[in-house]
Amino acid sequence: GESVGLHLPTLSVQEGDNSIINCAYSNSASDYFIWYKQESGKGPQFIIDIRSNMDKRQGQRVTVLLNKTVKHLSLQIAATQPGDSAVYFCAENYSPSGGYQKVTFGTGTKLQVIP
Amino acid sequence: DSGVTQTPKHLITATGQRVTLRCSPRSGDLSVYWYQQSLDQGLQFLIQYYNGEERAKGNILERFSAQQFPDLHSELNLSSLELGDSALYFCASSVATGVTNSPLHFGNGTRLTVT
Repeated sequence: GESVGLHLPTLSVQEGDNSIINCAYSNSASDYFIWYKQESGKGPQFIIDIRSNMDKRQGQRVTVLLNKTVKHLSLQIAATQPGDSAVYFCAENYSPSGGYQKVTFGTGTKLQVIP
Repeated sequence: DSGVTQTPKHLITATGQRVTLRCSPRSGDLSVYWYQQSLDQGLQFLIQYYNGEERAKGNILERFSAQQFPDLHSELNLSSLELGDSALYFCASSVATGVTNSPLHFGNGTRLTVT
């Protein structure tokens, strides 16, 4: 999985508002998509995933939307809290063959929650 | 706790030196991935192993090498270190059965400082 080494875009949101983080993916053959949250000084953590046969999946306060037509993924966080401040990465997975998966990460978005 | 263990947590060394970073994947995970993350940047994919075999290579420098051992732990070797190699190095693992894709589980990284 590769990602471009650019400085991260930032999204600033007022506490209590909803956040929407967007991601464009590149491979139309990708069949599994994941959002990760990375807090400062830690490794990325799994938040929610979605398979290509779905267009929406909901978790606790989070929803992932998948639009395969335009190869777009979004993460919606309801009632954003200060603890949601982190960098969010999307990832697209493709399994060519042989029991392994090719993972490509997006560039990441930094979410800043304003108290 | 992701179940992925990386050692050491911090490493400070001089230019020109060689270091080895170690990763123990989650129990049962066959795939290991290595990523480099510079300050406020995204995840740069380095290399991926599946059950001991190299499966994919990213932008990994020739000065860097890795391997996955029969017990599935992995090591990333960085040699002739330069100041620009200072970064967080993450290891991730996944089940990757080839039947069902699965998320990556990340360790908390090794912070390498080259002086």
